Amino acid sequence: DGGITQSPKYLFRKEGQNVTLSCEQNLNHDAMYWYRQDPGQGLRLIYYSQIVNDFQKGDIAEGYSVSREKKESFPLTVTSAQKNPTAFYLCATRGQGNSGNTIYFGEGSWLTVV
Amino acid sequence: GESVGLHLPTLSVQEGDNSIINCAYSNSASDYFIWYKQESGKGPQFIIDIRSNMDKRQGQRVTVLLNKTVKHLSLQIAATQPGDSAVYFCAEFSPGNTPLVFGKGTRLSVIA
Repeated sequence: DGGITQSPKYLFRKEGQNVTLSCEQNLNHDAMYWYRQDPGQGLRLIYYSQIVNDFQKGDIAEGYSVSREKKESFPLTVTSAQKNPTAFYLCATRGQGNSGNTIYFGEGSWLTVV
Repeated sequence: GESVGLHLPTLSVQEGDNSIINCAYSNSASDYFIWYKQESGKGPQFIIDIRSNMDKRQGQRVTVLLNKTVKHLSLQIAATQPGDSAVYFCAEFSPGNTPLVFGKGTRLSVIA
């Protein structure tokens, strides 16, 4: 089955812990993105990567870190420095759509601080 | 800064009626636009896209209209069904490979 796989679907984090969200794609897309979505809100860009071994901060990068060692993988670490990490996290890739390079999303991961 | 916004945060329509969801964008350099549908607890799904050299594009039951003069984008859904209930986002791309800019979304509720 092709596409974007995010795991885990649900994750609980204790105060002071780092957690890593996985994002794997088999679409052969170069660009990958991480977005955060709070309830009833839009999407905010955390980090993005245009190519392997390169990534840039988005609008809300503080308290997060990423790596892009392989084209297929773009894991997101939510560090203890992120004070309000409870949210829905979406991974996306960018590839050719009908009219241009569009963005495709995974099914998301819910992170809750307990 | 540049932004993408929506005129209506919520929209309720009767089943079988047509729905129109609007979006305003402010970056006149944007050349590619996308509509997404997001159901509760799921990732956004691509619905339809349009380049700036077009003013209309049709899909299955959906039509996107682009008015570059007033920087306005709309999504029309024909014969709205209960399964269309979701949050709809518009998004824009500007040249230079910059990340997609999303609007906040409109919640569409279909009344049976």
